[in-house]
Amino acid sequence: GAVVSQHPSRVICKSGTSVKIECRSLDFQATTMFWYRQFPKQSLMLMATSNEGSKATYEQGVEKDKFLINHASLTLSTLTVTSAHPEDSSFYICSAARGPNSPLHFGNGTRLTVT
Amino acid sequence: QKEVEQNSGPLSVPEGAIASLNCTYSDRGSQSFFWYRQYSGKSPELIMSIYSNGDKEDGRFTAQLNKASQYVSLLIRDSQPSDSATYLCAVLLAQNTPLVFGKGTRLSVIA
Repeated sequence: GAVVSQHPSRVICKSGTSVKIECRSLDFQATTMFWYRQFPKQSLMLMATSNEGSKATYEQGVEKDKFLINHASLTLSTLTVTSAHPEDSSFYICSAARGPNSPLHFGNGTRLTVT
Repeated sequence: QKEVEQNSGPLSVPEGAIASLNCTYSDRGSQSFFWYRQYSGKSPELIMSIYSNGDKEDGRFTAQLNKASQYVSLLIRDSQPSDSATYLCAVLLAQNTPLVFGKGTRLSVIA
């Protein structure tokens, strides 16, 4: 069964609004979670590493003030897309690993459409 | 720069044949290796993990690792049309670091 839950699976919002995506590890504690973005027919792109109790680490080119990450507990990380624009429309996927050398398990993803 | 290379494909094989997917990586210190399958519009799902040299079999899937050659492969026996997807090779360089993904190989199994 699923080990990482992501919600919502699909969201449509208007330009200028903010959208929050939740990622939960279901039966394990995750001190680290990873957020990816994938545009149609393109590769997974790592956006940021979410660290419980501390600031997220963002990849080069990802605006930390636009993509707010909060990892307030060992089982929950949230990604908020602030002031969304149509170019932010994408498939956002979170992931977490059970242990330090364990594989990543992915949530089902959130398809964001900004109109 | 840490890199994971895959042939983008598409790789087309007839139903029932063996599909062979290959991946090379640049960092000799890489610790763990994974294969994911991603259907169009879905998130990746883990198929195989391999940590030491040699072969690891799970059902129709066999992962092969050769650390000296920095090479990892995935064999799919008795390929089915439902195996048609993009296969992502991923490498873990160190604990609690992000996986480094290849760009994926698109596999098409023709009925």
